[in-house]
Amino acid sequence: LAKTTQPISMDSYEGQEVNITCSHNNIATNDYITWYQQFPSQGPRFIIQGYKTKVTNEVASLFIPADRKSSTLSLPRVSLSDTAVYYCLVGDPNAGNMLTFGGGTRLMVKP
Amino acid sequence: NAGVTQTPKFRVLKTGQSMTLLCAQDMNHEYMYWYRQDPGMGLRLIHYSVGEGTTAKGEVPDGYNVSRLKKQNFLLGLESAAPSQTSVYFCASSRQGRGPEAFFGQGTRLTVV
Repeated sequence: LAKTTQPISMDSYEGQEVNITCSHNNIATNDYITWYQQFPSQGPRFIIQGYKTKVTNEVASLFIPADRKSSTLSLPRVSLSDTAVYYCLVGDPNAGNMLTFGGGTRLMVKP
Repeated sequence: NAGVTQTPKFRVLKTGQSMTLLCAQDMNHEYMYWYRQDPGMGLRLIHYSVGEGTTAKGEVPDGYNVSRLKKQNFLLGLESAAPSQTSVYFCASSRQGRGPEAFFGQGTRLTVV
């Protein structure tokens, strides 16, 4: 499984755009990139998934460069409720074991 | 639609006792997973299953056993609990194939004294 590296923590302020970058230098051809969000005392929640270029949904955008060795989760106009831990996962959805989590990035949004 | 349900939500065990955690999903998902999460840490995969009757080891399988006799249920067993197994346990399930998102249960907080 491709190992991922993320910043341990980030601070932001309400209304700002937050970009969290994940490095995955040994990503394989069949691997997808998936991001999850976890609030305290809750299980992780799926945010977004992509393979290449850009993916956008109602919550976030995911930017993946051509070499796919990194990816950036972009949260537009964050609010206090976006304070959470964000995990970047890389794996093959057909392999059945793609859900291996790293340490995640602890995002603190301040008023 | 309940999604993923874990039983129990809380449990206190004495060292050496055994117990079974139950995970049930009603989404007809092929894949199911058990994780543990220690305070301030990320999730670590204990065991997983890619279908009924199958199980496989994850990152930290020692001290745990699992069974998937029915597609909708994934059981995690602790044969002889140790204080090092004090943690929050999460179960998850997902479909097979491209682009699946995983759904997580609400967690089981286990304390071994």
